[in-house]
Amino acid sequence: KAGVTQTPRYLIKTRGQQVTLSCSPISGHRSVSWYQQTPGQGLQFLFEYFSETQRNKGNFPGRFSGRQFSNSRSEMNVSTLELGDSALYLCASSLWVSRPQYFGAGTRLSVL
Amino acid sequence: KNEVEQSPQNLTAQEEEFITINCSYSVGISALHWLQQHPGGGIVSLFMLSSGKKKHGRLIATINIQEKHSSLHITASHPRDSAVYICAVRTPDNTGNQFYFGTGTSLTVIP
Repeated sequence: KAGVTQTPRYLIKTRGQQVTLSCSPISGHRSVSWYQQTPGQGLQFLFEYFSETQRNKGNFPGRFSGRQFSNSRSEMNVSTLELGDSALYLCASSLWVSRPQYFGAGTRLSVL
Repeated sequence: KNEVEQSPQNLTAQEEEFITINCSYSVGISALHWLQQHPGGGIVSLFMLSSGKKKHGRLIATINIQEKHSSLHITASHPRDSAVYICAVRTPDNTGNQFYFGTGTSLTVIP
């Protein structure tokens, strides 16, 4: 069974641009969560999706958004990028909400 | 205010040593997770627990709900255990269903 796949693995953008990151969960998994990891703040929860619905959201500005498709694949979008958005963005999938999560390798975003 | 506190922040051990990493939290939880992150970023979920104790190979995780405390133990440590270990808690649906993370414990096991 393939693991959680995140694309792209690396991304360089400039301030003011927008970016879309993609996450393909493990086959059969219906819950997808997104996290941001920075050296200063550590891991922080962005949002969680289940069956195409956002279940909850962390304390991030509205520039951060996401969605989940009917095949459970998920995307997150960051608009009007700021230098502080440079981070490792991790996606995790689980069979169901509140079940063990399996993490992707992450997308490392650098904002210049 | 940190909802999740871990100790120690850094830990160096000799191979075969018994290791304990502690996690205290201040919120009501539905589950607690222990995660392992190797250099390069990949995260593996080691345990998810809401009560009692779980064991997987040389790893043991315990939780005391009343004291809001969890420990991760590694028996007979090995250099391949060198990684950052992160404690995370999930709050129940009726309190926002949020995830909070500790800052991690960086473990180095020396041969």
